[in-house]
Amino acid sequence: GAVVSQHPSRVICKSGTSVKIECRSLDFQATTMFWYRQFPKQSLMLMATSNEGSKATYEQGVEKDKFLINHASLTLSTLTVTSAHPEDSSFYICSARSSAFGQAFFGQGTRLTVV
Amino acid sequence: KQEVTQIPAALSVPEGENLVLNCSFTDSAIYNLQWFRQDPGKGLTSLLLIQSSQREQTSGRLNASLDKSSGRSTLYIAASQPGDSATYLCAVQMIKAAGNKLTFGGGTRVLVKP
Repeated sequence: GAVVSQHPSRVICKSGTSVKIECRSLDFQATTMFWYRQFPKQSLMLMATSNEGSKATYEQGVEKDKFLINHASLTLSTLTVTSAHPEDSSFYICSARSSAFGQAFFGQGTRLTVV
Repeated sequence: KQEVTQIPAALSVPEGENLVLNCSFTDSAIYNLQWFRQDPGKGLTSLLLIQSSQREQTSGRLNASLDKSSGRSTLYIAASQPGDSATYLCAVQMIKAAGNKLTFGGGTRVLVKP
């Protein structure tokens, strides 16, 4: 299957700083990438959908100025958590989809802890 | 709005027993349904994908059925092993016009005891 690499796998940052998470499709071109957030023992909640070269579409309740998403190339999307607060601590997962595939493939996830 | 429910939320069985995991969804206009496995602190591994026109998919000890009209899917895992312990998530993808979004169920946490 197709491979999606997410980096870093874990990050700890101080309150007020910004953190960038990368999502790369290694062996296919991802026309669409999705960013999810997962709280402990809960399911995945879609945060936003990004298409290459376009602005991301955010789900209701997700602050677009806080969670900046860039999808500048067909193999890379980034999520930047700006001015992070402890309540932003969570598990963030990306997935990538190409027009050639009927399914999306998932990264390994990033555990963000804001102290 | 599509809602996906998984029952039970948690399941504990002795090794060797068959597992039956249930997933239900409210809107039958789906493009496909997918079952995933998630180990603690890890990402998702796709297990089976069933297109809306299909009734079931099989891979090794895993079999997933889909009844779109009643909004149900069932994942069967035969002869469970301790290595099957994980959280299993089902997700439905709506028709393309709805943006190809995946809606996830809450998951079933499975523990297979040796």
